[in-house]
Amino acid sequence: DAKTTQPPSMDCAEGRAANLPCNHSTISGNEYVYWYRQIHSQGPQYIIHGLKNNETNEMASLIITEDRKSSTLILPHATLRDTAVYYCIVRVDGTGGFKTIFGAGTRLFVKA
Amino acid sequence: DADVTQTPRNRITKTGKRIMLECSQTKGHDRMYWYRQDPGLGLRLIYYSFDVKDINKGEISDGYSVSRQAQAKFSLSLESAIPNQTALYFCATSDSTPPGSYEQYFGPGTRLTVT
Repeated sequence: DAKTTQPPSMDCAEGRAANLPCNHSTISGNEYVYWYRQIHSQGPQYIIHGLKNNETNEMASLIITEDRKSSTLILPHATLRDTAVYYCIVRVDGTGGFKTIFGAGTRLFVKA
Repeated sequence: DADVTQTPRNRITKTGKRIMLECSQTKGHDRMYWYRQDPGLGLRLIYYSFDVKDINKGEISDGYSVSRQAQAKFSLSLESAIPNQTALYFCATSDSTPPGSYEQYFGPGTRLTVT
């Protein structure tokens, strides 16, 4: 599975959009981009995933560049409860199981 | 997530003791996983199981063993605990076929301290 690079931390003002980048320059054609988050020391929570197209759900949007070498997770209106560590993971589709490790992620601080 | 439960939630034990962490799930998933997390770091995979008769080592299996007693139960054992196994341990599950297989569900974690 491809490696990912994320900034260690980011700040965002409450109510503003939080844009979290992820580089995955060695991604293969059959690898998906997944995002999870971990609030405090709770178990990680799935946010969104995508292959080529941009995706949106009730939690966030995922923008994947055309060459698929990077992506951005967008929280459109960040709240204090969105303060968490966000993990970007790339891996082959879900049928292979989650055998990858989670890296250090990006620690997002949402400030009032 | 109440669908994945872990017991105990906190445990303090002494070096050399055997300890078992238990995980149960009500999601009906075939696949279960054990991860550990050290302070400030991401999660590392210890063992995983794709069905009751399947057990696989992950990145850091040394010093650990697992048992898949049933589809819903996956236990992690530390045969002889050592201080550097002090960590937060997470159990997780996932389905085996899309679209359910795209999401992994985590338990609340077990905080283990080895003195």
